[in-house]
Amino acid sequence: EVQLLESGGGLVQPGGSLRLSCAASGFTFTTYAMSWVRQAPGKGLELVSSISASGGSAYYADSVKGRFTISRDYSKNTLYLQMSSLRAEDTAVYHCAKDLDPTGDSSFRLDYWGRGTLVTVSS
Amino acid sequence: EIVLTQSPATLSLSPGERATLSCRASQSVSRFLGWYQHKPGQAPRLLIYDASNRATGIPARFSGSGSGTDFTLTISSLEPEDFAVYYCQQRYNWPPVTFGGGTKVEVK
Repeated sequence: EVQLLESGGGLVQPGGSLRLSCAASGFTFTTYAMSWVRQAPGKGLELVSSISASGGSAYYADSVKGRFTISRDYSKNTLYLQMSSLRAEDTAVYHCAKDLDPTGDSSFRLDYWGRGTLVTVSS
Repeated sequence: EIVLTQSPATLSLSPGERATLSCRASQSVSRFLGWYQHKPGQAPRLLIYDASNRATGIPARFSGSGSGTDFTLTISSLEPEDFAVYYCQQRYNWPPVTFGGGTKVEVK
């Protein structure tokens, strides 16, 4: 059974940093691209970042480019999102998600998601 | 950026009724469109990918159709567990990958 468990969310001041983790199990982590998708309070979904299966290529939404970094640790089957220079508008539930096919690159077809972790940016 | 417009914003129906959800793209996305179901506090779930392909484990009452700019998600007969928010997503022209604003299917 595929499981994705996010952690690391919390309250952080504007300008601060936070690292989110997503522990993956139930599939071969090395062969699937992974993504982070967020949902701000009362808003819809926004795909924030994706990383290829090899870790060699990454995609970032313009809203987070230069501030967020996606990475993955194959020894721990864990996906990360390092967030810095956080702003109030980054407040959201952050979900990690697995790509549908083991093609290596992100297809942005996200077949399994975690429940998410809440990040609140406020002074 | 491709904008996806979903309608209606809210659909009030009873169990057993048919639900028809629309997603319109600001420019063609070919068939590179997916549908997701999201319930509060839960993980979103992929229902349909590439316009009409049901994801693994998705019941046959869910179906998708369309191409180009106009897409439809149909739930043939609503079950109690189907009341949720539904999002469409395009992956044809990126960056950015974009989602629609969602349609809430609520109990009438």
